Amino acid sequence: DAGVTQSPTHLIKTRGQQVTLRCSPKSGHDTVSWYQQALGQGPQFIFQYYEEEERQRGNFPDRFSGHQFPNYSSELNVNALLLGDSALYLCASSLVRGDTEAFFGQGTRLTVV
Amino acid sequence: LAKTTQPISMDSYEGQEVNITCSHNNIATNDYITWYQQFPSQGPRFIIQGYKTKVTNEVASLFIPADRKSSTLSLPRVSLSDTAVYYCLVGALSSGSARQLTFGSGTQLTVLP
Repeated sequence: DAGVTQSPTHLIKTRGQQVTLRCSPKSGHDTVSWYQQALGQGPQFIFQYYEEEERQRGNFPDRFSGHQFPNYSSELNVNALLLGDSALYLCASSLVRGDTEAFFGQGTRLTVV
Repeated sequence: LAKTTQPISMDSYEGQEVNITCSHNNIATNDYITWYQQFPSQGPRFIIQGYKTKVTNEVASLFIPADRKSSTLSLPRVSLSDTAVYYCLVGALSSGSARQLTFGSGTQLTVLP
């Protein structure tokens, strides 16, 4: 079992550009959540996908959007990048049942210059 | 959502027992207490979860007093590899939706030789 895999591991983008990050959930999991972690802070919830729909959303602007595919994998898209979007982006997979443990990937380190 | 307060940092020596206390005065009846561990440039990893009294697994113990307004994560005989950030989370478990995790700033545990 490969666990949660994210790609790419590192990425450098210029202000104003758009970026797409990818996540493959742990085998058997049907729900994917995305988190943003700025340096020195705890992860902040962006949104969650189940059955290819956004189910929950944190306090993030519409520049942040996502998608979930039939195979449960997911993408996070960020438009019009700002310097403040530089962070570690984490994907977590779980079952839709809220009483199960969430497994995190290693994250994608995004640097906006 | 219940707010948590934990020490910013703690130091310990190899072989010692470490206790990290988390305060959650506004915990709700349905809330569970969950602890995650995070190493640099990695995603958080689930350690332990409990509702009341004591929970123990192969990694740690979690002590929750009767009023549930605080909890203590206990790591027995720590090693250098236990150096990490430890997060205390409080929230309800739902059978109908995956849990949105709310992280604070965590406790940086440094284990010294």
